[in-house]
Amino acid sequence: QKEVEQNSGPLSVPEGAIASLNCTYSDRGSQSFFWYRQYSGKSPELIMSIYSNGDKEDGRFTAQLNKASQYVSLLIRDSQPSDSATYLCAVRSVNTGTASKLTFGTGTRLQVTL
Amino acid sequence: DGGITQSPKYLFRKEGQNVTLSCEQNLNHDAMYWYRQDPGQGLRLIYYSQIVNDFQKGDIAEGYSVSREKKESFPLTVTSAQKNPTAFYLCASSMRGQGGTGELFFGEGSRLTVL
Repeated sequence: QKEVEQNSGPLSVPEGAIASLNCTYSDRGSQSFFWYRQYSGKSPELIMSIYSNGDKEDGRFTAQLNKASQYVSLLIRDSQPSDSATYLCAVRSVNTGTASKLTFGTGTRLQVTL
Repeated sequence: DGGITQSPKYLFRKEGQNVTLSCEQNLNHDAMYWYRQDPGQGLRLIYYSQIVNDFQKGDIAEGYSVSREKKESFPLTVTSAQKNPTAFYLCASSMRGQGGTGELFFGEGSRLTVL
C-alpha cells in the first residue's frame, strides 16, 4: 500500500510567521509531488508542484523535496489569515500513460492567528 | 473561462436509489478522474479515464460506475450497491504529455447525502 503521511494538525502560527508543513511518502518510485490548498467545504487548489530534489520557490511558497529521505515540505512565509486552510500533499507514484494517479495525504490544517 | 464543472453541487438521495454526478471540462484534457473525500480522510480514487471509451478502476470502485463517451464528459453513477455513499465527490482532469508533471485540476465538487 503506497502511503502519504501528514500530521493532521492543527498547526497554529501567528500572522507574519513562517508555516512549515511536512509530508513523507512510502513509494521510492514516486516521481512528482504536489501541494494543494483546500478551504473548508471547497475543492483542492494546486499551489505548488516539485519534481526534483531541492527547493522551488513561488512567491511566499517554497516546496522542498528530498527523495533520499522520502520527504517533501511546504514553507509559507509571511503567513496571512487567508492562508488558514487544509494543505494536502499528493504524490504521483504510477505513470500510466496519460493518466496521473495521485495518492493524497489526509492533510494538515493550518491556522494563522492574528 | 476554461474549467471543470460539476453538478449538482448538493444532492440528497434515498437509500436504494442510483444517482449520477455530472462532470464536464473544457480544458481539452485527455485524462479525467473521480475522487471521493470523507471527513478526516485523504482523497481516494474511484475511477479514471485516459481516453474516450476507456476507463480503469481506482482504489474504491465498488458500487460506482462511469462512462466516457466524449472527451469533455465523465459522469459518475453512485449505485445502490455503494454501502456508504455520503461523501464529497471531486472530479479532476489532467493534460496529456506534460512530461510527467501530472498536475490535477479539480472541479468544485458535489456533496452527496443519503437520507
